[in-house]
Amino acid sequence: GENVEQHPSTLSVQEGDSAVIKCTYSDSASNYFPWYKQELGKGPQLIIDIRSNVGEKKDQRIAVTLNKTAKHFSLHITETQPEDSAVYFCAASINNDMRFGAGTRLTVKP
Amino acid sequence: GAVVSQHPSWVICKSGTSVKIECRSLDFQATTMFWYRQFPKQSLMLMATSNEGSKATYEQGVEKDKFLINHASLTLSTLTVTSAHPEDSSFYICSARLGRGPGEKLFFGSGTQLSVL
Repeated sequence: GENVEQHPSTLSVQEGDSAVIKCTYSDSASNYFPWYKQELGKGPQLIIDIRSNVGEKKDQRIAVTLNKTAKHFSLHITETQPEDSAVYFCAASINNDMRFGAGTRLTVKP
Repeated sequence: GAVVSQHPSWVICKSGTSVKIECRSLDFQATTMFWYRQFPKQSLMLMATSNEGSKATYEQGVEKDKFLINHASLTLSTLTVTSAHPEDSSFYICSARLGRGPGEKLFFGSGTQLSVL
């Protein structure tokens, strides 16, 4: 089955800096790659996603890139703010069978 | 985006009692919902897939008689933790799939923190 690895497990940046979280997946048939943000005591919230026929997608300060050949995808957050502090999960899906990464705890220091 | 409502947000119960958690898709119909368990500082662990009108599919190691799932309508799935014990204390989260096609978006509820005394 699909295996998703996520790095780093923790990330601390200064407010205004960029943050990058990387994920790799094992099954080349994966066709959908969402990113979720989870704040303490809450459920994950979908923040951006990308499909296998697209290499990059951007939504304001958030962008996701996908390299199908290398089987990895990344989340980029620019101009980070303290409210970006949360746990971020990547996921890879094959025909709606979704597997999650272990999560990255992002801390943005003011 | 689509809204998934989960209740209660937290519950404290005595050992041996049963607890029911509800998951509703508020503005869309969800033929498939998912239930997860999450331990502190860990990722989401899929417990079962809930299909409307049919039996749930449980992941390996999850006791179906312990965690009863009912998906009686296209907007509601329930998880009942039967005869709860302290080791069942955890954060439970549901999600609902938007649409039927491949690669459809998944939306999550706000989670339920269960504490069994």
